[in-house]
Amino acid sequence: NAGVTQTPKFRVLKTGQSMTLLCAQDMNHEYMYWYRQDPGMGLRLIHYSVGEGTTAKGEVPDGYNVSRLKKQNFLLGLESAAPSQTSVYFCASSYLTGAKNIQYFGAGTRLSVL
Amino acid sequence: KNQVEQSPQSLIILEGKNCTLQCNYTVSPFSNLRWYKQDTGRGPVSLTIMTFSENTKSNGRYTATLDADTKQSSLHITASQLSDSASYICVVSAGGGNKLTFGTGTQLKVEL
Repeated sequence: NAGVTQTPKFRVLKTGQSMTLLCAQDMNHEYMYWYRQDPGMGLRLIHYSVGEGTTAKGEVPDGYNVSRLKKQNFLLGLESAAPSQTSVYFCASSYLTGAKNIQYFGAGTRLSVL
Repeated sequence: KNQVEQSPQSLIILEGKNCTLQCNYTVSPFSNLRWYKQDTGRGPVSLTIMTFSENTKSNGRYTATLDADTKQSSLHITASQLSDSASYICVVSAGGGNKLTFGTGTQLKVEL
């Protein structure tokens, strides 16, 4: 029962470097999400996808790009990392939308940008 | 602006004791309210989901209540265990339910 798997678990970048975070789910969920979690703040939605080939902006999309080429994968890219992007990133997926939308979260990727 | 506020920020209780966590929200139009448990270093895990018409929902030793009139919710934990030590996050959904507003969580520590 893998559920939602995120790779890598930890990463340290220098300012200006790029990287891609990978999220994979094996539950055949249509919806996938990327959040960031910062101290003293609730999780904030970066981007989300309502199906293969679709993406949409969330609350804090600037500096990030995403792709959903396959239903089971949702990639989050940082083209030019900044210290403000130091955070813990969580991927989530859900089968339904609306009131019965239970989002299942991965274990997170802890990213530090120096 | 949609907001979710939780209290207390942190709480320490002895094993076996009960506790109640509070959540106040200003989210419109309200769709549903969820409580998540987040263990240190892990992702949040759903405990309960309540829609407008539900005022109580239980999941084992966890019981959530919702007062949609006063826009308040509580999470009651009965007979606490060491494994209950975690952050408990209140999350409110507006409109169609796909976009969530997260509280900052209550950090609970259960001690012997």
